[in-house]
Amino acid sequence: QQQVKQSPQSLIVQKGGISIINCAYENTAFDYFPWYQQFPGKGPALLIAIRPDVSEKKEGRFTISFNKSAKQFSLHIMDSQPGDSATYFCAASMDRDDKIIFGKGTRLHILP
Amino acid sequence: NAGVTQTPKFQVLKTGQSMTLQCAQDMNHEYMSWYRQDPGMGLRLIHYSVGAGITDQGEVPNGYNVSRSTTEDFPLRLLSAAPSQTSVYFCASSYSLVNRGIGYTFGSGTRLTVV
Repeated sequence: QQQVKQSPQSLIVQKGGISIINCAYENTAFDYFPWYQQFPGKGPALLIAIRPDVSEKKEGRFTISFNKSAKQFSLHIMDSQPGDSATYFCAASMDRDDKIIFGKGTRLHILP
Repeated sequence: NAGVTQTPKFQVLKTGQSMTLQCAQDMNHEYMSWYRQDPGMGLRLIHYSVGAGITDQGEVPNGYNVSRSTTEDFPLRLLSAAPSQTSVYFCASSYSLVNRGIGYTFGSGTRLTVV
């Protein structure tokens, strides 16, 4: 059972455009939703995270939108740059459990 | 402060061989875990540990063993390598997820090929 579903699998965006990656979850006990960024040959690194008590969190060009009732959250990258080209993973975890469950990832390519 | 160190970076094994992937962290993190990354499958949890002497299974534990004798080290053992274990393996650590805002620190990975 895939607990965190991520789409699309790959995404191509023009430089300066908005990149949008979507995730959905089933388990309402999840209470922490991080996004990780991975460059080729490197390990993933925490990009931004949100808890379900807020509907949006913004850090620079990166914004998480969270819809608790729909059990969905998304990552928006504004003014996308070639340096943003990477694989992005959404994830979820819950307070009583130390595990983080990852989505399958989205390979983002920003055209120069 | 080296963070999370994984060795080796690359390894080729023959089917049936055993080996240990090493993971060490110098951040005094309580929580450590092993993931495997396969194309189209994302990151799947193999085993994890919430502290020295405590380990538990993740999503895909079969064929792998772990132990946690110290806070710093969390080796992953492949008992009898199979081609299905060809993958990139990542070790990750963090403080207890009570302080989850910090997130995981990942190592740079071990690329394993089983022939």
